[in-house]
Amino acid sequence: GAGVSQTPSNKVTEKGKYVELRCDPISGHTALYWYRQSLGQGPEFLIYFQGTGAADDSGLPNDRFFAVRPEGSVSTLKIQRTERGDSAVYLCASSSTSGGYNEQFFGPGTRLTVL
Amino acid sequence: SQKIEQNSEALNIQEGKTATLTCNYTNYSPAYLQWYRQDPGRGPVFLLLIRENEKEKRKERLKVTFDTTLKQSLFHITASQPADSATYLCALDKGYGNKLVFGAGTILRVKS
Repeated sequence: GAGVSQTPSNKVTEKGKYVELRCDPISGHTALYWYRQSLGQGPEFLIYFQGTGAADDSGLPNDRFFAVRPEGSVSTLKIQRTERGDSAVYLCASSSTSGGYNEQFFGPGTRLTVL
Repeated sequence: SQKIEQNSEALNIQEGKTATLTCNYTNYSPAYLQWYRQDPGRGPVFLLLIRENEKEKRKERLKVTFDTTLKQSLFHITASQPADSATYLCALDKGYGNKLVFGAGTILRVKS
């Protein structure tokens, strides 16, 4: 089947605006993760969902960032009052189960640019 | 503080040689460690996972070692090819929940 998809692939916005980034995980994958990657760095964990609930949101940088996964499949990462420092590639990943020794399947990412 | 360090400089090698990439960590006790490949403009792709009680894992031309005493993992690509050119990321898994902590990655360039 299809891999993890993310939309949009690119998003340019102005400082202070609100943005939503969408992730479609692999069908049947119960675990979903959001990461943020800056140039020259590895992905940085933001939040992890097991089913519909956020099991670990310790990586969200502040309360401007919020994510939902209402039906346990598609997830949306929401950023309010965007700042230039939010510019990065936002990656989504899914895995068949949480815990254990499972590989994560990553999407291509959404490149967010805040002007 | 917790750190994951990978070769900061790009690794340039000749086709056919073995590439060896290093991942060192401090102040972690990972249950296991994963290696990913990332091409420009793409998301990381899983390559290998090694558990804390395993010394070595192989898959085709790839080999990973894991030394929990030295707090180090080595990633080897034998008979390297130009198509192996990419950024290679190591990631520590903190156990339940699969939260991954990534290193900054090492750029590998294989020249023909």
